[in-house]
Amino acid sequence: GQQVMQIPQYQHVQEGEDFTTYCNSSTTLSNIQWYKQRPGGHPVFLIQLVKSGEVKKQKRLTFQFGEAKKNSSLHITATQTTDVGTYFCAGISGNTPLVFGKGTRLSVIA
Amino acid sequence: ETGVTQTPRHLVMGMTNKKSLKCEQHLGHNAMYWYKQSAKKPLELMFVYNFKEQTENNSVPSRFSPECPNSSHLFLHLHTLQPEDSALYLCASSQGSEHPGEKLFFGSGTQLSVL
Repeated sequence: GQQVMQIPQYQHVQEGEDFTTYCNSSTTLSNIQWYKQRPGGHPVFLIQLVKSGEVKKQKRLTFQFGEAKKNSSLHITATQTTDVGTYFCAGISGNTPLVFGKGTRLSVIA
Repeated sequence: ETGVTQTPRHLVMGMTNKKSLKCEQHLGHNAMYWYKQSAKKPLELMFVYNFKEQTENNSVPSRFSPECPNSSHLFLHLHTLQPEDSALYLCASSQGSEHPGEKLFFGSGTQLSVL
């Protein structure tokens, strides 16, 4: 079945450093979504990408969807302590429900 | 705050107990979901209800029994669980359609411990 791999599993950065998490699918995706889960919280929708090669920005966050629609990345510029949490990608292929990656847990050291 | 409310927030139960998790959404959505979140595993989809019809059952053991009486309410009935069923159970909702891929609104989850 469809698999979504996400790396790295953990990332520790100094406040102010950049951070990137990568998502790869075993199948071509119709769209990809990103969620953030704060410690002790629940996943919260961040963004959805649909088009091949699409790039979207939300303040310091930049989301990319690969040309082949099989990979995606989330880049955070100049991390802040409020960025702490686990970032999940979730992909859709065909009519299957969302498949989530394992997530990347981000720690930011002040 | 997300419009999806789950109760209880925490639950401890023995393997012979019967309990139910409740989810209610106030967003006017027509699709509701149960996910299981365990440590070191991806979010696992358990059940999907779209317009009150169950459309997904991801090979979930029969000790988990979902119920969707209307598009605003979703239950997960639990009986004779195993310790490995201990996890965070998340409810989510979305607008609902024949085409998956809508964004999900999650509740705060029920942290379940099976002793």
